[in-house]
Amino acid sequence: EPEVTQTPSHQVTQMGQEVILRCVPISNHLYFYWYRQILGQKVEFLVSFYNNEISEKSEIFDDQFSVERPDGSNFTLKIRSTKLEDSAMYFCASSEAGQGRNNEQFFGPGTRLTVL
Amino acid sequence: GEDVEQSLFLSVREGDSSVINCTYTDSSSTYLYWYKQEPGAGLQLLTYIFSNMDMKQDQRLTVLLNKKDKHLSLRIADTQTGDSAIYFCAEMDSSYKLIFGSGTRLLVRP
Repeated sequence: EPEVTQTPSHQVTQMGQEVILRCVPISNHLYFYWYRQILGQKVEFLVSFYNNEISEKSEIFDDQFSVERPDGSNFTLKIRSTKLEDSAMYFCASSEAGQGRNNEQFFGPGTRLTVL
Repeated sequence: GEDVEQSLFLSVREGDSSVINCTYTDSSSTYLYWYKQEPGAGLQLLTYIFSNMDMKQDQRLTVLLNKKDKHLSLRIADTQTGDSAIYFCAEMDSSYKLIFGSGTRLLVRP
């Protein structure tokens, strides 16, 4: 069964460093998402992406964050200068459609980001 | 703003039924979802219900939706120890992003 994959599973970085989190969505999906879950808190939406552009972004997704689909398979989240409060589990998700039928979002296993 | 609330913890005996409850605020939600998260793992989509339905059954899972009260429940029949996990309720808002509840930790006792 096709699934969303994410790498790395765990990333440790120093405050102020740039990190890139990688995702490979399900191959026939057209909509891509990043969510994050700070330890003990709710899963929060960060950004959605369709047709090579951002569809929507949350207040969390400030200028330090960017997303890219550099080729036909990968979808990346970059944090330019990490802060301690960026430590969280980051989930990538994809869906075939944005609304209506086949809009179910399938999640990857997550990347745990630890900022020291 | 939109909000989804769940009770934090539920403990049941193996073989019993589990009922996990959820309330949401966005009356325009068209789809509501249940996800399962096992320790150290990602979010597994269990089932969903469209807002014009009252009930959806999928093997051991039954989803009930009371749109008037904005209340969603997930019933797991014949709960097994492998069902122990955190269960998240989520609504899809008008911009197609998911709004999650804080999750209900289900503990199944042998």
